Amino acid sequence: DTAVSQTPKYLVTQMGNDKSIKCEQNLGHDTMYWYKQDSKKFLKIMFSYNNKELIINETVPNRFSPKSPDKAHLNLHINSLELGDSAVYFCASSLFRTNPYEQYFGPGTRLTVT
Amino acid sequence: SQQGEEDPQALSIQEGENATMNCSYKTSINNLQWYRQNSGRGLVHLILIRSNEREKHSGRLRVTLDTSKKSSSLLITASRAADTASYFCATVARGNNRLAFGKGNQVVVIP
Repeated sequence: DTAVSQTPKYLVTQMGNDKSIKCEQNLGHDTMYWYKQDSKKFLKIMFSYNNKELIINETVPNRFSPKSPDKAHLNLHINSLELGDSAVYFCASSLFRTNPYEQYFGPGTRLTVT
Repeated sequence: SQQGEEDPQALSIQEGENATMNCSYKTSINNLQWYRQNSGRGLVHLILIRSNEREKHSGRLRVTLDTSKKSSSLLITASRAADTASYFCATVARGNNRLAFGKGNQVVVIP
């Protein structure tokens, strides 16, 4: 299936731990994104990579570090997790040169920090 | 950063009725889009309307854009139970390269 996939789907962890979320797309897109959706369903962009280069870096704590090993993958590593990091994290991708704003979203990773 | 703001927040309708939701924004935009999110799923792109367009159709969807009022509406005609979802508008401001999402409208279609 052509899609954007994320792992894991659910992540429950304790404060202070370090965790990673992985994202992969097989759509041939050149741009990938991480979004955070809070409990009120407000969706905010965190990062974007185009051809493995960081092009968007919103005001996000430096505990969050994205990494793009290639155009098809964008991982998110979070250090020293805090209660406020609990949210649903969505990966998305798009083909920047034709339509960067038609983004394809993954199913989300629900992170719960206890 | 600029955000789209949908109004109303929640809508409950009978199957077959039309559903209308609105979105307002604050700055000049390049385009505006609508996305759907089913419960527990990622967002799905529905339709994009450019700043020089006033109306666009896609199947049962009709989107309007009024740049003078900085507002957009999404109309779903002949709603179905499968249309039950949250609907988000997202804008791309002029000179910007990112989507700014609004809070979302919850639409419940009762069979």
